[in-house]
Amino acid sequence: EADIYQTPRYLVIGTGKKITLECSQTMGHDKMYWYQQDPGMELHLIHYSYGVNSTEKGDLSSESTVSRIRTEHFPLTLESARPSHTSQYLCASRNDRAGNTIYFGEGSWLTVV
Amino acid sequence: RKEVEQDPGPFNVPEGATVAFNCTYSNSASQSFFWYRQDCRKEPKLLMSVYSSGNEDGRFTAQLNRASQYISLLIRDSKLSDSATYLCVVVSGTYKYIFGTGTRLKVLA
Repeated sequence: EADIYQTPRYLVIGTGKKITLECSQTMGHDKMYWYQQDPGMELHLIHYSYGVNSTEKGDLSSESTVSRIRTEHFPLTLESARPSHTSQYLCASRNDRAGNTIYFGEGSWLTVV
Repeated sequence: RKEVEQDPGPFNVPEGATVAFNCTYSNSASQSFFWYRQDCRKEPKLLMSVYSSGNEDGRFTAQLNRASQYISLLIRDSKLSDSATYLCVVVSGTYKYIFGTGTRLKVLA
């Protein structure tokens, strides 16, 4: 089992609120990712990080931001949530020393009303 | 054209059947390939890596055809618990993991 944790698992918030989705991994992985996935649809990369103080935007445009101050922690923030942000957000990590396998957290289901 | 394409299914098969999925990719420089399994409203989990020579893990066999740019997954003796969505993953460069849309499998009693 992968040691990567996401909180909250489920969140319902009002439009305009600021939220932060937490992601932590205890595997010492240097590379971390955030994906967005709507039910029954494909995963889309929204952010990634190669290591501390390294963050990049992914292929899917997102109004969220991320930070990587510590190796194990990669939080995602939405400054002003909108109903269009309703989705599942999946955090993932990997380590070159362990091959290219990417491990996912259990996901955070966000509903913006 | 999408970089990774899969037949979305669903594939409805009886228990004990053999079923095969294909996945095609467009970038000939792709380096690594995987099959992930995703249950409904759960996170994707690694099923198996795909090696050039083909590889087997119990009832599951994965193969890579670089010339035709596709990978395949064969499931023998299907179980009810195999019902899930199977995601093809193709890796290019240092970070570019491209996930297919997935193929839904439903194994029927």
